[in-house]
Amino acid sequence: EIVLTQSPATVSLSPGERATLSCRASQSMSNYLAWYQQKPGQAPRLLIYDASNRATGIPARFSGSGSGTDFTLTISSLEPEDFAVYYCQQRSNWPLTFGGGTKVEI
Amino acid sequence: QVQLVQSGAEVKEPGASVKVSCKTSGYTFTGYYIHWVRQAPGQGLEWMGRINPNSGDTNYEQKFQGRVILTRDTSITTVYMELSRLRSDDTAFYYCARVLDGYSASPFDHWGQGTLVTVSS
Repeated sequence: EIVLTQSPATVSLSPGERATLSCRASQSMSNYLAWYQQKPGQAPRLLIYDASNRATGIPARFSGSGSGTDFTLTISSLEPEDFAVYYCQQRSNWPLTFGGGTKVEI
Repeated sequence: QVQLVQSGAEVKEPGASVKVSCKTSGYTFTGYYIHWVRQAPGQGLEWMGRINPNSGDTNYEQKFQGRVILTRDTSITTVYMELSRLRSDDTAFYYCARVLDGYSASPFDHWGQGTLVTVSS
């Protein structure tokens, strides 16, 4: 199984700052990586799929990049509503797996 | 609009079974796989398995093999997740999620609201 390691576990930032979240895979994979945002008490929301494609309705401040084993989610300028937990997920191999999450806090 | 509405919270004793429903609407039920993902309180996301609502074909995470069964009822566009031989570490929110397009492992673009299953004696 592909293990996804997210870093950092927690990052403290202020509104307007840039956030850079990392997801590293245990083996090289295609670009079948997605990013989700989860707020307390809510289901996850798809932000990015296939490494760099924004899902419907996702603001342009969210962008994804990477290939092979290293992937990045960037939030160019944090809005108050962006403070949440972010998960990466791979669909390159079965079983589907998620990273452990990165909490973006104020 | 696409909606996935799950059944309500459950409290079960260790060793019992639970069956959670996921009622879908707003799209062609048989055209999109449904997956189940769980999340223990304060923890990360864990994929459990998926079902093809058209054929009923299923695929489970090995960890849950023999304990989880996914089924569907096309007449009421509903998918079910049954987990048996419950243990305390099965206490979690259980989510159903629909894929983005017609492929089995596509990303999950619509999610149910989650169902809390508590296992306690």
